[in-house]
Amino acid sequence: DAGVTQSPTHLIKTRGQHVTLRCSPISGHKSVSWYQQVLGQGPQFIFQYYEKEERGRGNFPDRFSARQFPNYSSELNVNALLLGDSALYLCASSPPPAVTQYFGPGTRLTVL
Amino acid sequence: QKEVEQNSGPLSVPEGAIASLNCTYSDRGSQSFFWYRQYSGKSPELIMSIYSNGDKEDGRFTAQLNKASQYVSLLIRDSQPSDSATYLCAAGGSNYKLTFGKGTLLTVNP
Repeated sequence: DAGVTQSPTHLIKTRGQHVTLRCSPISGHKSVSWYQQVLGQGPQFIFQYYEKEERGRGNFPDRFSARQFPNYSSELNVNALLLGDSALYLCASSPPPAVTQYFGPGTRLTVL
Repeated sequence: QKEVEQNSGPLSVPEGAIASLNCTYSDRGSQSFFWYRQYSGKSPELIMSIYSNGDKEDGRFTAQLNKASQYVSLLIRDSQPSDSATYLCAAGGSNYKLTFGKGTLLTVNP
């Protein structure tokens, strides 16, 4: 079975721009979570969606938003990019009802 | 602030030795615990999950959980150079969110 997929792999943006990151979960998984990982730190929780509903939100500003589609894929949107948004953005999916999360390859975002 | 603490390392062990990685967590409501391995430039890969007090073994890996002490560990037996990576400890609660530590860098020397 295919694992979690994310696109794009790498992205370079300038301050003030907007970015959309995409994630497709493992087949059969209905929950998608987004994490931000800056260099030298562990992943930080941003959002979790289950059955298209937001189930949790981490301590991130309103510039960050997400949604989940009927096919359980998900988008993470970040507006008004700041230099500090440069990070590896990770998507993870979970099978129902398990809590175990399986990560995709990530999207490396660089903000100049 | 719910936290997961790990020694940042680096932890260096010779090939064939046992590597011991430790983690403490602050949220007593945490119910599930995970160890992920992350190679440089890659995403985290799940190694072990543990939910009950005691030991759980999978091949060369053993996870240990002590909820009274709020302590989780990972033992890697017969360490190989390919085990060299950052090991992330994560704790999950009823809301399914994972809280990660900063990770411990392990180097296995041939």
